[in-house]
Amino acid sequence: DIQMTQSPSSVSASVGDRVTITCRASQGISSWLAWYQQKPGKAPQLLISVASSLQSGVPSRFSGSGSGTDFTLTISSLQPEDFATYYCQQAKSFPLTFGGGTKVEI
Amino acid sequence: EVQLLESGGGLVQSGGSLRLSCAASGFTFSTYAMSWVRQAPGKGLEWVSAISGGGGGSSTSYADSVKGRFIISRDNSKDTLYLQMNSLRAEDTAVYYCAKRLPAVGATYFDYWGQGILVTVSS
Repeated sequence: DIQMTQSPSSVSASVGDRVTITCRASQGISSWLAWYQQKPGKAPQLLISVASSLQSGVPSRFSGSGSGTDFTLTISSLQPEDFATYYCQQAKSFPLTFGGGTKVEI
Repeated sequence: EVQLLESGGGLVQSGGSLRLSCAASGFTFSTYAMSWVRQAPGKGLEWVSAISGGGGGSSTSYADSVKGRFIISRDNSKDTLYLQMNSLRAEDTAVYYCAKRLPAVGATYFDYWGQGILVTVSS
């Protein structure tokens, strides 16, 4: 199975800050990676697929990069509605696996 | 508008069984692969099972943690996804989400999720 490791597990930030979350795969997954945002009590929402493809309706302050084993989610200017937990997910092979999550908090 | 509505959750004793349903609407259900993803209280996301869409029969995949105990199926005439959960354990306690595969990208990402249904297994 492909293990996904996210860091940090939590980050304290302020509105307007630039936030970077990293995700590392235990083996190469090319660009088969997604990022999701989850708010408390809600289902996850797909932000980015194929490592860097922004989903329709997702603000352009979100961006993804990377390939192989190392990936990054960047929020260029944190907004109040961005305080949430973020997960990466590899889509290269089954079983699909998620990172442990990164909580972005004030 | 795409909607996924889970039902069938609740409290069950260890060793018991439960069947979850996910009623889909707003898209051509039969053509899309679907999955179940769960989240234990206060924990991260765990993919549970997937079933293919389209014609020619349905192929399935399972996480090792549920293989041999859970069965995923679908009824395309009813636009409904199922998860039959047998031999339930305390560690199966979680919110269970059904999720639709993002089309046309050659891999499994989830573009729509249900609201989730809680399954609690008491020991």
